[in-house]
Amino acid sequence: KNQVEQSPQSLIILEGKNCTLQCNYTVSPFSNLRWYKQDTGRGPVSLTIMTFSENTKSNGRYTATLDADTKQSSLHITASQLSDSASYICVVSAKGAGTASKLTFGTGTRLQVTL
Amino acid sequence: GAGVSQSPSNKVTEKGKDVELRCDPISGHTALYWYRQSLGQGLEFLIYFQGNSAPDKSGLPSDRFSAERTGGSVSTLTIQRTQQEDSAVYLCASRQGTSGANTGELFFGEGSRLTVL
Repeated sequence: KNQVEQSPQSLIILEGKNCTLQCNYTVSPFSNLRWYKQDTGRGPVSLTIMTFSENTKSNGRYTATLDADTKQSSLHITASQLSDSASYICVVSAKGAGTASKLTFGTGTRLQVTL
Repeated sequence: GAGVSQSPSNKVTEKGKDVELRCDPISGHTALYWYRQSLGQGLEFLIYFQGNSAPDKSGLPSDRFSAERTGGSVSTLTIQRTQQEDSAVYLCASRQGTSGANTGELFFGEGSRLTVL
């Protein structure tokens, strides 16, 4: 069964600090992995996509990594800001016919950045 | 429109009533998804439309739930005889077509928050 597990479930950090969120998956055959940010009361917004051949990708203060061998991804946030407070959702897509609807979502990590 | 539009943004209804939730996807996006998100939970897949193909209804939790997509654009999710456990945020997302690699980004609406009393 395809699964995506995220950790930690929630996290509180001080503004300006760094943090790393984890995503482990068992989706096969693997196509890609996306990290989404969901602000409270809003829909998720894509931060970055990782395909099989990519190890690291940055989007501003967000850096995603992918280890396709161990089926793990991380999202590192540098110099956190109050606006980073949100849920971060890991979504893994499978490859092949009939899989477009079979996106596997993690339950998310709720990040709170405080003063 | 520029983004995915959902209405109503909030709906409070009494148990047993029917509700309709509307999604207007990004123009030109052929793929449309409905998800349900309960408080503090992950997204639960409900239904997927792709062009003129038969929809994937495998996520609908019961026969009280149905959805249609007219003209390949606007979609309506209907919940009949609502129950309290139907209370959740219903999110719609669209994507620009599909491919075997499934690399396209999902663009989500703001969601419709349903409360069943």
